[in-house]
Amino acid sequence: DAKTTQPPSMDCAEGRAANLPCNHSTISGNEYVYWYRQIHSQGPQYIIHGLKNNETNEMASLIITEDRKSSTLILPHATLRDTAVYYCIVRVAAYNQGGKLIFGQGTELSVKP
Amino acid sequence: DTGVSQDPRHKITKRGQNVTFRCDPISEHNRLYWYRQTLGQGPEFLTYFQNEAQLEKSRLLSDRFSAERPKGSFSTLEIQRTEQGDSAMYLCASSLGAGVGTGELFFGEGSRLTVL
Repeated sequence: DAKTTQPPSMDCAEGRAANLPCNHSTISGNEYVYWYRQIHSQGPQYIIHGLKNNETNEMASLIITEDRKSSTLILPHATLRDTAVYYCIVRVAAYNQGGKLIFGQGTELSVKP
Repeated sequence: DTGVSQDPRHKITKRGQNVTFRCDPISEHNRLYWYRQTLGQGPEFLTYFQNEAQLEKSRLLSDRFSAERPKGSFSTLEIQRTEQGDSAMYLCASSLGAGVGTGELFFGEGSRLTVL
């Protein structure tokens, strides 16, 4: 699986949009971009994933560049409960693949009042 | 709660003792994963099962570690002759499959091990 690069930490004001970048310049054509987050003392939680189109769900939006070498996770209106470590992961998503996730260091997002 | 459950949540043991952790995945999920996480680091993959078959083991899984999933439902992770370096959070996750739409991993709250 390709590796990702994320800033180690970011701050965001409560109520503002949080934009978390991720570089994955060696991503392969069959690899998806997944985002998970881990709130302190809890297990990681799935947020969103995408291949090449932008995606949106009730938690966040995922913007993937046209060349797929980078992406941005957007939390449109960050709350204090969004304070967590956010992991950007790339992996093949196919029924005959292992399916494991390889986590990096992630970005520690602090949402401040 | 029908999520992934892990037991115990906390375990304190003395060096040299054996410990066992249990994971109950979401029912009908046929894939089960074990991870280890130390302070300030992302989770590290240890091993995974598809049903009862253990299909991959990380180099991190030394001979003192063994994992089983005897009937394709719950799983156990045993650490023999614990060392202080084994102190970590042990996370279990399950998924329905590995494809898009079925491959999302659902994690438990973890079992925190402290070796004195």
